[in-house]
Amino acid sequence: RKEVEQDPGPFNVPEGATVAFNCTYSNSASQSFFWYRQDCRKEPKLLMSVYSSGNEDGRFTAQLNRASQYISLLIRDSKLSDSATYLCAVNRPTSGTYKYIFGTGTRLKVLA
Amino acid sequence: NAGVTQTPKFQVLKTGQSMTLQCAQDMNHNSMYWYRQDPGMGLRLIYYSASEGTTDKGEVPNGYNVSRLNKREFSLRLESAAPSQTSVYFCASRNGDQPQHFGDGTRLSIL
Repeated sequence: RKEVEQDPGPFNVPEGATVAFNCTYSNSASQSFFWYRQDCRKEPKLLMSVYSSGNEDGRFTAQLNRASQYISLLIRDSKLSDSATYLCAVNRPTSGTYKYIFGTGTRLKVLA
Repeated sequence: NAGVTQTPKFQVLKTGQSMTLQCAQDMNHNSMYWYRQDPGMGLRLIYYSASEGTTDKGEVPNGYNVSRLNKREFSLRLESAAPSQTSVYFCASRNGDQPQHFGDGTRLSIL
């Protein structure tokens, strides 16, 4: 089992829909969490950090559930331009440094 | 602010040729990383450097070497390129437990 797992999708949703992705992690020592957006054949770009209290950036809301060991990303009022792959990343301490682990990504297609 | 800069952006090699992929960051980050990403797959860590003067293997290091030249620069070398190394290569950097920031990638084809 991978340490960080995501449903690969694709999630096909109509414009204007609300869609949510989850990302589960297996190591309870994980400390910080991030969502990235990756367009086809481009570099991953940081979308938002995930804070314990949950955080929102416009149409995007990120949540952390430490008890169940997952993070979520909610996108409201989906736009065609939201079509991309969404990667989660989990950061945990190890041997005096930090290990940064990516999920394999969830593909989102927003349909007109 | 350039962030993370990778060169070249595209390269075609013949099997057995060698080349070095360059990465430089201007964010004063301590840690730097090299990933490869194949179609339909996630990022796979090749090598990383937690700080200047140190390098460590990731999950797919075979066929690659790295050099952390100074705090800014982290290069990836293919000594004898193989078709299986055709991929998109990303360099990233960060400090401590902060998020990684990526360069825009090198698209490498090996014939």
